[in-house]
Amino acid sequence: EVQLVESGGGLVQPGGSLRLSCAASEFSFGTRWMHWVRQVPGKGLVWVSRINTDGSSTDYADSVKGRFTISRDNAKNTLYLQMNSLRAEDTAVYYCGRENWFIDLWGRGTLVTVSS
Amino acid sequence: DIVMTQSPDSLAVSLGERATINCKSSQSVLHSSTKRNHLAWYQQRPGQPPKVLISWASTRESGVPDRFSGSGSGTDFTLTISSLQAEDVAVYYCQHYYSPPFSFGPGTKVDIK
Repeated sequence: EVQLVESGGGLVQPGGSLRLSCAASEFSFGTRWMHWVRQVPGKGLVWVSRINTDGSSTDYADSVKGRFTISRDNAKNTLYLQMNSLRAEDTAVYYCGRENWFIDLWGRGTLVTVSS
Repeated sequence: DIVMTQSPDSLAVSLGERATINCKSSQSVLHSSTKRNHLAWYQQRPGQPPKVLISWASTRESGVPDRFSGSGSGTDFTLTISSLQAEDVAVYYCQHYYSPPFSFGPGTKVDIK
């Protein structure tokens, strides 16, 4: 089945770090640009980051620039989001998405909670 | 950065009636290289991830019922549900993919009246 499965979410203290993973199945992962989008429960979607096929080009929302790093391992069909210096306002469900210009495939998300 | 707005924030429509959602971008998303509007509509049902309904402002994605249609160009766009069904209860988002950051609209919640 063509799918994306996120993992790595959990409870972390303010100032802490977390690395999210997104495992891709049944499509040619290495040929697709990939995204992270987040959503505070009950609120709207917020675009976070994008990476090109070989990882040489990345883009970030201003709110995470300098704190988050998107990367990928095409041999493992896996997308990552390294999140450092986490703040309470980073609490959200984090979705990975496959790009087809727009996001045409979404994972089910992983919840990150930043709290002491 | 392009800012996306949507109206209304929410609407309640009777089953079988039309629902119309508007989306506006702070600058044109009609790209000179593709000659297309870089605008997508997503549906997010409760407890589910988003699902793309419409791309390029008016192209219905595979498997999407034909009661969903998108229109507009430049900065003003509309998503229309021609005959609302119970399964259409959801929040609908527009998003531009013109250039990063690829912002979403704030969402429009659609309910049954």
